[in-house]
Amino acid sequence: SQQGEEDPQALSIQEGENATMNCSYKTSINNLQWYRQNSGRGLVHLILIRSNEREKHSGRLRVTLDTSKKSSSLLITASRAADTASYFCATGSNNRLAFGKGNQVVVIP
Amino acid sequence: DVKVTQSSRYLVKRTGEKVFLECVQDMDHENMFWYRQDPGLGLRLIYFSYDVKMKEKGDIPEGYSVSREKKERFSLILESASTNQTSMYLCASSLFLTEGGGYTFGSGTRLTVV
Repeated sequence: SQQGEEDPQALSIQEGENATMNCSYKTSINNLQWYRQNSGRGLVHLILIRSNEREKHSGRLRVTLDTSKKSSSLLITASRAADTASYFCATGSNNRLAFGKGNQVVVIP
Repeated sequence: DVKVTQSSRYLVKRTGEKVFLECVQDMDHENMFWYRQDPGLGLRLIYFSYDVKMKEKGDIPEGYSVSREKKERFSLILESASTNQTSMYLCASSLFLTEGGGYTFGSGTRLTVV
């Protein structure tokens, strides 16, 4: 069943700006993951945050998790044109990963 | 470079045909998955397998079956293709079902049923 729900659904920013996306979910989770999908391709795993973690960094990515609010955010700092993609959150529970509908980010050079 | 390979990028099939979508991974992963992706609906899990010859239904298994005879290969079968199965199909594999790391996805197969 569908778990994550990203917000905003579409985002357009200038190169160099930061991009922030949010994800909400409904049930308890073991972890939350973020993926990127370039147009017409498969998904690429970006980062995983466990339910007992509050914040995690990987390069220009920063993920936060608030289990009390059942929400997560993904921040991409100093965006580049190559960051143009769809971003999905996915929640892990019951031995399966459930994906949100995705968030389209366009970075304008 | 580790990889999940889907045999076709694009397929066009006729209604009623039996369709096989093949997926091979070279990472010795226990777990493999088939998702379909549709605009506005995101990714939905069709079937997954946690071991050779083992399979479990996902959220939308109707109209599909799967086969996992070897660890590296996971096939999705549309027994009698219908137009509502026109979609992007994504295969993935992982070492763990949900813990410990992410899924590795193939590039996808865009299937059109006419």
